[in-house]
Amino acid sequence: EPEVTQTPSHQVTQMGQEVILRCVPISNHLYFYWYRQILGQKVEFLVSFYNNEISEKSEIFDDQFSVERPDGSNFTLKIRSTKLEDSAMYFCASVTAYEQYFGPGTRLTVT
Amino acid sequence: GNSVTQMEGPVTLSEEAFLTINCTYTATGYPSLFWYVQYPGEGLQLLLKATKADDKGSNKGFEATYRKETTSFHLEKGSVQVSDSAVYFCALRRTNFGNEKLTFGTGTRLTIIP
Repeated sequence: EPEVTQTPSHQVTQMGQEVILRCVPISNHLYFYWYRQILGQKVEFLVSFYNNEISEKSEIFDDQFSVERPDGSNFTLKIRSTKLEDSAMYFCASVTAYEQYFGPGTRLTVT
Repeated sequence: GNSVTQMEGPVTLSEEAFLTINCTYTATGYPSLFWYVQYPGEGLQLLLKATKADDKGSNKGFEATYRKETTSFHLEKGSVQVSDSAVYFCALRRTNFGNEKLTFGTGTRLTIIP
């Protein structure tokens, strides 16, 4: 069964550094999402992406964040200058008309 | 706006016990409701869903009924197993279209003791 993969599984970075979180969605899916979960809090929507552009973004998704699909298979989330409060689990989702398929997540720790 | 309130955990039960994890929601219109499960080291997996009032979603012995009058979607299982140990997330989607964002609860960690 096709699955969504994410790398790395855990990323530790220093405040102010740039990080790129990678996701390989299910091939032939067209919609992609990023969500995040700060420890002990709700899973929150960050951004949705369709046809090589952002279709919706939350208030969290400010200028420090960007997404792209650089090569037709990977889907990346970049945080330009990480802050302590960016420490969270980041989930990628690959979407069909009826269901969202999630990856295992990347745990980002900002020190 | 839309929101989901989920029973706080962690929840620890003995094998074969009855499980209820409460979930209530706030939403306009007629949202679709979901339970997702996350096993250790894995992604969120859809456990069950219901798309309209009084629908019952079921899978792997788990059930949840969409109750519009109480705005609830409680998860139940009659006899839990050690393999059910996981984190359970209640979620809603404003419509039945998969390409709309999900609104999640905080998750409930369930541990089943043999």
